[in-house]
Amino acid sequence: EAGVVQSPRYKIIEKKQPVAFWCNPISGHNTLYWYLQNLGQGPELLIRYENEEAVDDSQLPKDRFSAERLKGVDSTLKIQPAELGDSAVYLCASSRDSLAGNEQFFGPGTRLTVL
Amino acid sequence: GENVEQHPSTLSVQEGDSAVIKCTYSDSASNYFPWYKQELGKRPQLIIDIRSNVGEKKDQRIAVTLNKTAKHFSLHITETQPEDSAVYFCAVNNAGNMLTFGGGTRLMVKP
Repeated sequence: EAGVVQSPRYKIIEKKQPVAFWCNPISGHNTLYWYLQNLGQGPELLIRYENEEAVDDSQLPKDRFSAERLKGVDSTLKIQPAELGDSAVYLCASSRDSLAGNEQFFGPGTRLTVL
Repeated sequence: GENVEQHPSTLSVQEGDSAVIKCTYSDSASNYFPWYKQELGKRPQLIIDIRSNVGEKKDQRIAVTLNKTAKHFSLHITETQPEDSAVYFCAVNNAGNMLTFGGGTRLMVKP
């Protein structure tokens, strides 16, 4: 079984530029999560999808961040415009559903560097 | 919201010794407590988890204990090996199985 796939693995951009990250969850997983991980810290949830619906985006900075999960499979997270403080690893995770105790499987992440 | 505190932030042990990492949480409604291991530049990977109806769970050299009354849980690694060196994160679930992570513990096992 293929794991969670993310691309690109690394991205370097200048501030004020747009950037997008892509995630393909494990087949059959209905719930998809985007996390942000700053260096030396634990992941922080940005948004959770149930199929194609964003059911919790309270931690997503909506002035510059947006996300979508068309057709309830792949997901894209976008930042426009990027700021220096956005430099971090963006992790995507998926689980079979959102019932308590269902394991979340993480992708390898996209490391974003904003210059 | 949920607050998860993890200690210590760094832990150095000699190969063969035991390592213990502790986490406390604030939301008494939380009922799922996973532990993730993250090697440098790699994805977090689940190593063990425990649900609130169980006080202890063991898997070979790894065990987790949970005290729901005191709202804390611990990861125990026995007979540590150099390949156990990594950053370990505890996590606690909220509604919708969303996880709040602790700050992480960098474990170094010296040969």
